[in-house]
Amino acid sequence: DIVMTQSPDSLAVSLGERATINCKSSQNVLNSSNNKNYLAWYQQKPGQPPKLLICWASTRESGVPDRFSGSGSGTDFTLTISSLQAEDVALYYCHQYYSTPHSFGQGTKLEI
Amino acid sequence: QVQLVESGGGVVQPGRSLRLSCAASGFTFSNYGMHWVRQAPGKGLEWVGVLWYDGTNKYYADFVKGRFIISRDNSKNKLYLQVNSLRADDTAVYYCAKSRVRGVAGPIDYWGQGTLVTVSS
Repeated sequence: DIVMTQSPDSLAVSLGERATINCKSSQNVLNSSNNKNYLAWYQQKPGQPPKLLICWASTRESGVPDRFSGSGSGTDFTLTISSLQAEDVALYYCHQYYSTPHSFGQGTKLEI
Repeated sequence: QVQLVESGGGVVQPGRSLRLSCAASGFTFSNYGMHWVRQAPGKGLEWVGVLWYDGTNKYYADFVKGRFIISRDNSKNKLYLQVNSLRADDTAVYYCAKSRVRGVAGPIDYWGQGTLVTVSS
C-alpha cells in the first residue's frame, strides 16, 4: 500500500507571503505509459467537505485561483500558494489515486 | 450542478449495522466511479473504498476487512455503503464522493456534505 506523508503538519504564513506544503509518497505514482502523476490536492475549510484544487500533480481545477500551483513527480510533490490570502486558511490534503487502496496524506493545517 | 446528498447516519451501538445512502444528481451517475471517504472527529481523511461506474469492480481499504460493502443502483442514481459490526473507531463523517473517471484511477472531483455515524453504547 502507498503511504502519503505530508510536511509540515501545520504552517503559519503571513498574508501575502508564500506557503509551501510537501507531500511524499512511499512508492512512485508516476505512470510511465502516459507520463501522468496520479496525485491530487484538496482544500478543506471547517465544517465543509474537501474541495479539489489540483489533479495530475499540477493541473489546476477550473475556478481555482492561479496563486495555487502544484509541482513534483514520482514520489515528491509540492503545493504552493504564491501569495497567501485570508480565505486560504484551511486544511490541505494530498491524495494518490495511482493504485488501490487509495490514500491521503495526514493533512497540513495552514494558518495566518 | 453536481449534487451528492448522503443520508442514513446516526447513533448506533457497537456491533450493529447501518446502511448509508448517497443520492446523486447533476451528472450521468452511471458513467463514473464512486467513492466513500470518512473523517473521524478532528482527524484527517481516510479512504474507505470505490466502486466502478457499472458496479463490476470494487476495492476497499485494508481496515474494512469484509465489514463494509459498497453498492450502487444506477437506475436510481444512488450509492450505498453497508457498514456491519460497527466499532467505536468507525465513528466518523462518511462522505460520498465522485470520481472523475469510470474506474478508480482518477481524482475525486465532487464531495457530498457527509453523514455522521456515531458508534456508542
